[in-house]
Amino acid sequence: QITLKESGPTLVKPTQTLTLTCTFSGFSLSTSGVGMGWIRQPPGKALEWLALIYWNDAKRYSPSLKSRLTITKDTSKNQVVLTMTNMDPVDTATYYCVHMGASSTSLYNWFDPWGQGTLVTVSS
Amino acid sequence: DIQMTQSPSSLSASVGDRVTITCRASQSISTYLNWYQQKPGKAPKVLIYAASSLQSGVPSRFSGSGSGTDFTLTISSLQPEDFATYFCQQSYSTLWTFGQGTKVEMK
Repeated sequence: QITLKESGPTLVKPTQTLTLTCTFSGFSLSTSGVGMGWIRQPPGKALEWLALIYWNDAKRYSPSLKSRLTITKDTSKNQVVLTMTNMDPVDTATYYCVHMGASSTSLYNWFDPWGQGTLVTVSS
Repeated sequence: DIQMTQSPSSLSASVGDRVTITCRASQSISTYLNWYQQKPGKAPKVLIYAASSLQSGVPSRFSGSGSGTDFTLTISSLQPEDFATYFCQQSYSTLWTFGQGTKVEMK
């Protein structure tokens, strides 16, 4: 059974850097084909994919946020870390850690499961 | 980016109703389309992947169809636990994008 749990600050000030950690179990991020990512959701709004890291350390970032994001993994600790610089009140959202599932052919992928999410508020 | 547009944004329905939600992509995405259900205060859960494949454990009243740019999620007979928000998401590009969501409310 795959479980994911996000941790990090619940409140950050504008211009600060946010660091979120996802601690997972039930799989290894060193296994070929595995990916993990981050998705956020402002209160009452839609989901926005932020970043994804693959087992081979390849990374993908949302183009609109690429300059502010860094995703890293620590396979030995079963953790994935997201940093987002220059936080602004519009970045207030629930941040979810996600595992990327894939079909047996690896042609299709989807996000499953998701962590419970952590609400991050940006305010002075 | 591939833009995903859902319609309607919300709908009101009764238990037992057949519900249809539409998702349109800004370019052809073949069948690289997933559907998620989100209940208040909870993380989303995948219902359908690859446009029409039912995720393990998801009730058979949920079904998906479509290819190219137009997709549909259908709930054949709405149950009380199905009142939630539904999102589509494309996986054609590895710059994944979601629709804005459709809230299914009780009439």
